[in-house]
Amino acid sequence: EPEVTQTPSHQVTQMGQEVILRCVPISNHLYFYWYRQILGQKVEFLVSFYNNEISEKSEIFDDQFSVERPDGSNFTLKIRSTKLEDSAMYFCASSGQTSEQYFGPGTRLTVT
Amino acid sequence: TQLLEQSPQFLSIQEGENLTVYCNSSSVFSSLQWYRQEPGEGPVLLVTVVTGGEVKKLKRLTFQFGDARKDSSLHITAAQPGDTGLYLCAGVTNSGYALNFGKGTSLLVTP
Repeated sequence: EPEVTQTPSHQVTQMGQEVILRCVPISNHLYFYWYRQILGQKVEFLVSFYNNEISEKSEIFDDQFSVERPDGSNFTLKIRSTKLEDSAMYFCASSGQTSEQYFGPGTRLTVT
Repeated sequence: TQLLEQSPQFLSIQEGENLTVYCNSSSVFSSLQWYRQEPGEGPVLLVTVVTGGEVKKLKRLTFQFGDARKDSSLHITAAQPGDTGLYLCAGVTNSGYALNFGKGTSLLVTP
């Protein structure tokens, strides 16, 4: 069964550094998303991406964040100048023509 | 941001019991999805409901979408220890595809 994959599973970085989180969505899906979940809190929407551009973003997704689909399979989230409060699980998701979103296993980002 | 309230927050029951968890909002959703999440893992999609009043069954799990598409419930019959986990509801508004998640119901089923 097709699934969303994410790398790395765990990323540790120092405050102020840049990180890139990678995702491979399900191959025939057209819509891609990033969510985050701070420990003990609910899953929060960051951004959606369709047709090589951002289609929707939350207020969390400020200039510190960017997304890119560098090739036909990968979808990345870049966080510039990381802060302690960026520590969270980051989930990638993808969907086809319906609203059903399939999530990856997540990347645990720890900012020290 | 639409607020999805899930209740109860925690539920501990014995194997074989039935249970219902709820997901409520003051907002109307074009669709609502139920996920199950294990610690340290991503949410796994269980079901999507789209039509007001819709009922969907997945083995021992029954999902219902409210007539006004503002609320939903998940009923589990004869719960088993394997049902233990965090159950999340998430709604999609008419304006986009972003999922608005509730905080979840943490279910523990003991043998």
